[in-house]
Amino acid sequence: AQTVTQSQPEMSVQEAETVTLSCTYDTSESDYYLFWYKQPPSRQMILVIRQEAYKQQNATENRFSVNFQKAAKSFSLKISDSQLGDAAMYFCAYIEAGNQFYFGTGTSLTVIP
Amino acid sequence: DVKVTQSSRYLVKRTGEKVFLECVQDMDHENMFWYRQDPGLGLRLIYFSYDVKMKEKGDIPEGYSVSREKKERFSLILESASTNQTSMYLCASSLLAGDSYNEQFFGPGTRLTVL
Repeated sequence: AQTVTQSQPEMSVQEAETVTLSCTYDTSESDYYLFWYKQPPSRQMILVIRQEAYKQQNATENRFSVNFQKAAKSFSLKISDSQLGDAAMYFCAYIEAGNQFYFGTGTSLTVIP
Repeated sequence: DVKVTQSSRYLVKRTGEKVFLECVQDMDHENMFWYRQDPGLGLRLIYFSYDVKMKEKGDIPEGYSVSREKKERFSLILESASTNQTSMYLCASSLLAGDSYNEQFFGPGTRLTVL
């Protein structure tokens, strides 16, 4: 099975500041997708951002952006201008050929007012 | 909007009971998944299905079975619930992977407690 590692179980950030969540993965494939999912306290997971491995340009969605380093197998999520509503559990996920996702263990983000 | 619903948000059962968790999606997705979420372990795949009556074991299928009689519905069955199956159960669905790998859409989860 593929492995996805999130080494930061918990992170905190001051409101309006920037925070980066780390994710590394292990694969021998060259074509795959990476995702960041957010799970707020209400527990419904939603997609934050996704990155195609063949694209060199880092994906961006409003205040959320990624730093995709393919050679290093690293996929970090940057949240700019953090808001109270960003407080959640964040999961990094990976998918290659086939339909099965592999998820990391999650990072719990606290936003401090 | 894609909607994935799960039959219960909270469920309390006794050891040895047969437990059914139901999941329904309304977007005609081919793939459906059952995950178990535990603190520090992330999401672990129990079973998935890519078509009606088809199922594939995930990483932790022991103690579970599934049923997919209709495209929109995917059921997780605990034949004889045990306390170590106390967990949050998440259902998800996605389109069949083709030229792109599609995101998974999640239900709200069922918090199962086995006493």
